[in-house]
Amino acid sequence: NAGVMQNPRHLVRRRGQEARLRCSPMKGHSHVYWYRQLPEEGLKFMVYLQKENIIDESGMPKERFSAEFPKEGPSILRIQQVVRGDSAAYFCASSPPRRGSGTGELFFGEGSRLTVL
Amino acid sequence: KNQVEQSPQSLIILEGKNCTLQCNYTVSPFSNLRWYKQDTGRGPVSLTIMTFSENTKSNGRYTATLDADTKQSSLHITASQLSDSASYICVVSDQTGANNLFFGTGTRLTVIP
Repeated sequence: NAGVMQNPRHLVRRRGQEARLRCSPMKGHSHVYWYRQLPEEGLKFMVYLQKENIIDESGMPKERFSAEFPKEGPSILRIQQVVRGDSAAYFCASSPPRRGSGTGELFFGEGSRLTVL
Repeated sequence: KNQVEQSPQSLIILEGKNCTLQCNYTVSPFSNLRWYKQDTGRGPVSLTIMTFSENTKSNGRYTATLDADTKQSSLHITASQLSDSASYICVVSDQTGANNLFFGTGTRLTVIP
């Protein structure tokens, strides 16, 4: 039973290019979360998705960033026209469907480290 | 404002010694509190998850406590090992909204031989 799979693990882009980060949740999980972590800082929420729906994108910059979780295939975090400040580790987490109130147990991937030159 | 604060920010201890990490929160209404361990360059891994009615929960050498009245939690590590060197993150969940997790910035623990 594979865990949350993220790829690529490392990505290098030049300023102005596009970055695409992929996340395959654990089997049976229908909720996906993306977080950004700058060096020596904590995890910052970006977006929460369920299949084909964005539930909460309050943590995601309005411009250049987008996320999707299609019916088939992995969730994708897309960053257009990257800038040096986008350099960070991007973590994906998944959880099973929630029962009752509160968030289900979160399982994290190993992260994708983006470096913008 | 919902916040999670952890202390100390960093900690260095000798191998074999015990240590305690603190987490104070103002999240309301409270649902649960989790402690995660994040090794350098890796994703966070869950250590414990505690609900309102739980005071103590152990996972091997890790013991978490929760005082819902004072809104404080601690993570106690017994007989530390070099592999315990990591960041320990406290995460509190409320009962409202779609994204209802509040992350602390973590305590960076270094265990030295």
